[in-house]
Amino acid sequence: DVKVTQSSRYLVKRTGEKVFLECVQDMDHENMFWYRQDPGLGLRLIYFSYDVKMKEKGDIPEGYSVSREKKERFSLILESASTNQTSMYLCASTPFPGQGNYEQYFGPGTRLTVT
Amino acid sequence: AQSVAQPEDQVNVAEGNPLTVKCTYSVSGNPYLFWYVQYPNRGLQFLLKYITGDNLVKGSYGFEAEFNKSQTSFHLKKPSALVSDSALYFCAVNTGNQFYFGTGTSLTVIP
Repeated sequence: DVKVTQSSRYLVKRTGEKVFLECVQDMDHENMFWYRQDPGLGLRLIYFSYDVKMKEKGDIPEGYSVSREKKERFSLILESASTNQTSMYLCASTPFPGQGNYEQYFGPGTRLTVT
Repeated sequence: AQSVAQPEDQVNVAEGNPLTVKCTYSVSGNPYLFWYVQYPNRGLQFLLKYITGDNLVKGSYGFEAEFNKSQTSFHLKKPSALVSDSALYFCAVNTGNQFYFGTGTSLTVIP
């Protein structure tokens, strides 16, 4: 089975801190994604990556950056955390870029609270 | 622009009754359609997908979904609901690299 893991299930940070969320997948998938999930808004795409060192902005990239130095790892960075970034963050992966017929595999999520 | 709509935020159904969770979509090109389920404080789990072929697709845990091209819908169904089906359900569409998700429908199955 594909396994997508996220470094923390729960995280509490202070306003202005730099925050790193890590995601690792073990199935050699090309595509990786970061979403945030908020009640009533569903999942919104922050960034995705279809290859090492490649990244594409999603619908809400402001305030975030990403890093993909290795194929299996995709990191989401909040340069200066703000309270409006309090949310559930979900990482996902799929095998092949440009082929939308493959389902995504999701990690368990990181619930981030910024105080 | 691609979009997915789940018109009901909340669906309640009695245990043993059939359930339907609705989804409509708006895309350019041929869509790939998906349903996911999310249990509290967990990530999303894949239930089923429509790629091509038979409009009725079967998935995990007894769920099925019907693709209707003329109505641009992909409703999730189950003949007999279980209390354990209570969860948040998301419909999603993909035409290439990016997935677009609906806002989710919270299903409650009442014992």
